[in-house]
Amino acid sequence: EIVLTQSPATLSLSPGERATLSCRASQSVSTYLAWYQQKPGQAPRLLIYDASKRATGIPARFSGSGSGTDFTLTISSLEPEDFAVYYCQQRSIWPLTFGGGTKVDIK
Amino acid sequence: QVQLVESGGGLVKPGGSLRLSCAASGFTFSDYYMSWIRQAPGKGLEWLSYIGSSSYTSYADSVKGRFTISRDIAKNSLYLQMNSLRAEDTAVYYCARATTLNYFDSWGQGALVTVSS
Repeated sequence: EIVLTQSPATLSLSPGERATLSCRASQSVSTYLAWYQQKPGQAPRLLIYDASKRATGIPARFSGSGSGTDFTLTISSLEPEDFAVYYCQQRSIWPLTFGGGTKVDIK
Repeated sequence: QVQLVESGGGLVKPGGSLRLSCAASGFTFSDYYMSWIRQAPGKGLEWLSYIGSSSYTSYADSVKGRFTISRDIAKNSLYLQMNSLRAEDTAVYYCARATTLNYFDSWGQGALVTVSS
């Protein structure tokens, strides 16, 4: 099973700042990685798939990069609605697995 | 628009059974793979099970042999039969639509399952 390790666990930032979230895989997943956003009491929402492709309707301030074992989700300038928990997910090898999440909260 | 609505959650005793349902609308249900994913209180996401268009199924080790995924194309519904439930199965259970790339682009609102005596 591929283990996805996200860091940091919590990121405290102010609106307008840049957020950089990391996801590291225990073995190569090529570019088969997605990012999701989850707000309290809501289901997750797909943001990025195949490491760098934005899902439908996702603002351009969200971008993804990386390949192999190291991936990054960048939010170029945080909006108030971006404070949430973010998860990565790999689809390279079954079972599908998720990372433990990074909470982006307001500083 | 795509809508997924789970039902059937509730309180069940350890060792008991429960069947979750997910009603799908707004898309051609038979064309999509579907999954169940859960989230224990205050924890992250755990993929549980998957059913393909040809009824191919796959399970996480944590639920293999205890949970069964199925679908009824005529009713546009997805199901999860959960047997031999344990306290550690307590979670919100989401049904999710999978893209052809095995990412999840639509999710239900979740159904809470609590396993406790």
